[in-house]
Amino acid sequence: DAEITQSPRHKITETGRQVTLACHQTWNHNNMFWYRQDLGHGLRLIHYSYGVQDTNKGEVSDGYSVSRSNTEDLPLTLESAASSQTSVYFCASSAFLAGVGELFFGEGSRLTVL
Amino acid sequence: SQELEQSPQSLIVQEGKNLTINCTSSKTLYGLYWYKQKYGEGLIFLMMLQKGGEEKSHEKITAKLDEKKQQSSLHITASQPSHAGIYLCGVGHYGGSQGNLIFGKGTKLSVKP
Repeated sequence: DAEITQSPRHKITETGRQVTLACHQTWNHNNMFWYRQDLGHGLRLIHYSYGVQDTNKGEVSDGYSVSRSNTEDLPLTLESAASSQTSVYFCASSAFLAGVGELFFGEGSRLTVL
Repeated sequence: SQELEQSPQSLIVQEGKNLTINCTSSKTLYGLYWYKQKYGEGLIFLMMLQKGGEEKSHEKITAKLDEKKQQSSLHITASQPSHAGIYLCGVGHYGGSQGNLIFGKGTKLSVKP
């Protein structure tokens, strides 16, 4: 079955370190998204991509970057981790190019920055 | 920008009881999505509503979009422990980030056996 997987599921890191969260989907979806989920804020969009070599900033993109070198993967990089980036991160994908369609979510990656 | 407000923020019900969760938008809704999140897991799609007055059901969960398309409700009949989790409504965000969803902050549901 097609799926979307995130790794690592849990990570603890120190302030200032670079961290990369992986996201891999096997649906061949063009659209991929990264969200973070925090108490009191709900889900907020970090970055998104509509296809290979396409990346766009979302609502809370500062301190994060993504790259899309193939259809299946959209890794999220924290260039210099900060305590404010402690959160649960969700990757999602969808097939729709126009309008909005169902998003398929990964299981999440819990990141703690000490 | 469009904002979604969910109520209540949290809910504890006895198993077997009915309950309703509301999602109110600051603007007209074009495509309202309901998702469920189990603790520590990703979001699972429940259903999508597009037309004013539309109603959809999935097992014991029914969602409605009001005629003015600014509010949606999610109703669970005869709740079970398996219904526990966080319910989130989402709306399509048109414009700069077309294709993604803006979410409400969620309603945390606990079902007491």
